[in-house]
Amino acid sequence: KAGVTQTPRYLIKTRGQQVTLSCSPISGHRSVSWYQQTPGQGLQFLFEYFSETQRNKGNFPGRFSGRQFSNSRSEMNVSTLELGDSALYLCASSPEPGANVLTFGAGSRLTVL
Amino acid sequence: GQSLEQPSEVTAVEGAIVQINCTYQTSGFYGLSWYQQHDGGAPTFLSYNGLDGLEETGRFSSFLSRSDSYGYLLLQELQMKDSASYFCAVQESGGYQKVTFGTGTKLQVIP
Repeated sequence: KAGVTQTPRYLIKTRGQQVTLSCSPISGHRSVSWYQQTPGQGLQFLFEYFSETQRNKGNFPGRFSGRQFSNSRSEMNVSTLELGDSALYLCASSPEPGANVLTFGAGSRLTVL
Repeated sequence: GQSLEQPSEVTAVEGAIVQINCTYQTSGFYGLSWYQQHDGGAPTFLSYNGLDGLEETGRFSSFLSRSDSYGYLLLQELQMKDSASYFCAVQESGGYQKVTFGTGTKLQVIP
């Protein structure tokens, strides 16, 4: 069974640009959540999606958005990039919301110059 | 909101036992989980406590006391490969998949 797949793994952008990250959950998993990981702030919750609906959102500005498709794949977008957006963006999936185990992808490491 | 505190770093000797503590302030949650993350890797699930008490999974055990707002991860027979960061996490109640992670503890196992 394939794990959680995130693309791209690494990317470099400049301030002001926008970026789209993709996450394919484990087959059969319908809940997808996104996290930002930085050395100073640890793992911070971004959003949670289930059945193509955003069910919960963390304390991030509106520049951070996401969506989920009918096949449970999810994308997140960051517009007007800032230096502080440099981070590892992690996607996690679970069969249903409320499951007590998250399976994480390897992450997308974003560097903003 | 939720907040979980962990020691930032712990060093232990190979073959020894180490305990990583997690204290939390939360309004309500289903259970306490622990994840391991090696440098450059993804967090991987280790253990979950839905009820108070001890859960044992091989060399790893986890404990939860809701009355004390406290939990810990116990690693026995430490191996060099156990050098990693360890995160406690709470899953908020309400059927959501919002998980709040602790600050993380970097464990260094030395020979």
